Amino acid sequence: EPEVTQTPSHQVTQMGQEVILRCVPISNHLYFYWYRQILGQKVEFLVSFYNNEISEKSEIFDDQFSVERPDGSNFTLKIRSTKLEDSAMYFCASSEMRTGGYRNYGYTFGSGTRLTVV
Amino acid sequence: EDQVTQSPEALRLQEGESSSLNCSYTVSGLRGLFWYRQDPGKGPEFLFTLYSAGEEKEKERLKATLTKKESFLHITAPKPEDSATYLCAVQSRRGSNYQLIWGAGTKLIIKP
Repeated sequence: EPEVTQTPSHQVTQMGQEVILRCVPISNHLYFYWYRQILGQKVEFLVSFYNNEISEKSEIFDDQFSVERPDGSNFTLKIRSTKLEDSAMYFCASSEMRTGGYRNYGYTFGSGTRLTVV
Repeated sequence: EDQVTQSPEALRLQEGESSSLNCSYTVSGLRGLFWYRQDPGKGPEFLFTLYSAGEEKEKERLKATLTKKESFLHITAPKPEDSATYLCAVQSRRGSNYQLIWGAGTKLIIKP
């Protein structure tokens, strides 16, 4: 079964450093997403990406965050200057269609990258 | 403001003991309600999408139902491998076309 692949599985970084989280979505999917989950808290939407541009972003996704699809297969999330509060599990997801418009269809999530900022 | 509340926070059952998890929501026009399963250290795994009140979906020992205010995930004769956190999420018609709004989840533990 096709899956969304995320690397690395765990990254530790110093506060103020830049990090890039990588994702390989399912090959025929057109919509890409980043979500995060702080330990013990709800999953939170960060950004959605379609047709090589951001289609929607949340308040969390400020100027420190950026996304790219550099080569047609990878989908990356960059945090320019990490803060302690950025420590969380970051999930990439993809979907073939825009979820909500079609029956019995949901996003496929990757296993996540655990980011620890020290 | 769109909101999703799940109860209980945690549920311990004996193997074979059936029960239900609740997801109550307030949204301005429901596009869809989604159930996901999450194992520790893993991403959410899609289970069901429900769109309209009265709709039901089944998969193995799980059955999801939907009313205008809440959804139930019924688990029949659960096994230890059903132990996981079950997440509910909704997508509303107002504003957002893409993002899901998530509940905090119900941690289900099935004891052999």
